[in-house]
Amino acid sequence: EVQLVESGGGLVQPGGSLRLSCTASGFSFSSHDMGWVRQAPGKGLEWVSGISGSGGSPYYADSVRRRFTISRDTSKNTLYLEVNSLRVEDTAVYYCTKLSASSPYYYWYMDVWGKGTTVTVSS
Amino acid sequence: ATQLTQSPSSLSASVGDRVTITCRASQDINNALAWYQQNPGKPPKLLIYDASSLESGVPSRFSGSGSGTDFTLTISSLQPEDFATYFCQQFYTYALTFGGGTKVEIK
Repeated sequence: EVQLVESGGGLVQPGGSLRLSCTASGFSFSSHDMGWVRQAPGKGLEWVSGISGSGGSPYYADSVRRRFTISRDTSKNTLYLEVNSLRVEDTAVYYCTKLSASSPYYYWYMDVWGKGTTVTVSS
Repeated sequence: ATQLTQSPSSLSASVGDRVTITCRASQDINNALAWYQQNPGKPPKLLIYDASSLESGVPSRFSGSGSGTDFTLTISSLQPEDFATYFCQQFYTYALTFGGGTKVEIK
């Protein structure tokens, strides 16, 4: 069974940092691009970041660029999101996603989602 | 960025009804569109990709159509488990963007 399990969320003060993790199972982790999508309380979905299967070519939403860093460890089948300089508006459920692309398109849709980890930024 | 506008933002329907949700893109995105279903407290689930391709395991009562800027998601006969919020997402241009969502409620 394909599964994504996130961890690392929590309550943090503005300006603080967290490292979110996502452990993948049931598929060849190194062969697939992976990403993060977030959802603020009662709001819609927002693309955050993505990374290729090889670990290169990271992509970021403008709202998080230079504050968030995506990475992956193939030996641990784990995807990470380092979130720094957190703002109140970063409060959200962060979903780990497996990304798929269909010819002839370069970018992705999300075919597998984790259950999410909650990040709350508050003083 | 390509903006996606969904309509309606919510609707009320009965079991067995045919339901149609619309997603309009601010520019031509060919058929690079996906649809997701989200139940309360759950993660989204992929239903449709490439505007009209049904994801494996998704019931055939769900269908998608459209190309260019106008797209629709249709549920041919609404079932109790279909009462949820639906989102469209484009993957033609970067940054990836989602529609605002359509909540399908029980009449």
